Amino acid sequence: SQQGEEDPQALSIQEGENATMNCSYKTSINNLQWYRQNSGRGLVHLILIRSNEREKHSGRLRVTLDTSKKSSSLLITASRAADTASYFCATDAGNSGNTPLVFGKGTRLSVIA
Amino acid sequence: NAGVMQNPRHLVRRRGQEARLRCSPMKGHSHVYWYRQLPEEGLKFMVYLQKENIIDESGMPKERFSAEFPKEGPSILRIQQVVRGDSAAYFCASSPLGPNEKLFFGSGTQLSVL
Repeated sequence: SQQGEEDPQALSIQEGENATMNCSYKTSINNLQWYRQNSGRGLVHLILIRSNEREKHSGRLRVTLDTSKKSSSLLITASRAADTASYFCATDAGNSGNTPLVFGKGTRLSVIA
Repeated sequence: NAGVMQNPRHLVRRRGQEARLRCSPMKGHSHVYWYRQLPEEGLKFMVYLQKENIIDESGMPKERFSAEFPKEGPSILRIQQVVRGDSAAYFCASSPLGPNEKLFFGSGTQLSVL
């Protein structure tokens, strides 16, 4: 089944630095979403980018999508200790719209104060 | 506005017992999804329901697992005769539209099978 794969699996940076996480997927999509999960909690939606969009911003978040390479990146600028969490990309199957989101294994981000 | 509510937060069962996990979607949301997460892993899709109907159960084991979303009341994920391998965090999500849009997640139920 289609699945987004995040890279790297783990990332450790200093507060104030930028963090970049990548996601690759296998088949065509309608949209791609990024979620964040704090330890022991549910996922929180961060941003959705549609297949006809190339870049999207939300606060300190910047997401890019390259459908020709089947990849997306999430950039967090000026990171803070509170950004420490796992980040997941999720994709649909690009067809009728009734297929559920498929999540990758995530990138564990640690921001050191 | 209450978010997606899951209970219990933690559930301990002995092998062979039944586990019932409950999920109340956000108000106005008729689409409910159940996912399972093992430690250090991503979420694995189990089942997608839309008010009284199972839309997609391709991720749910055929035996021992069942799900429902009745006209009134919460969605229930039921696991019969639990085994140690069922130990995981089970997350419920809901959405007002279909699964291609933003999902709202509950805080999950951590199931531990002794």
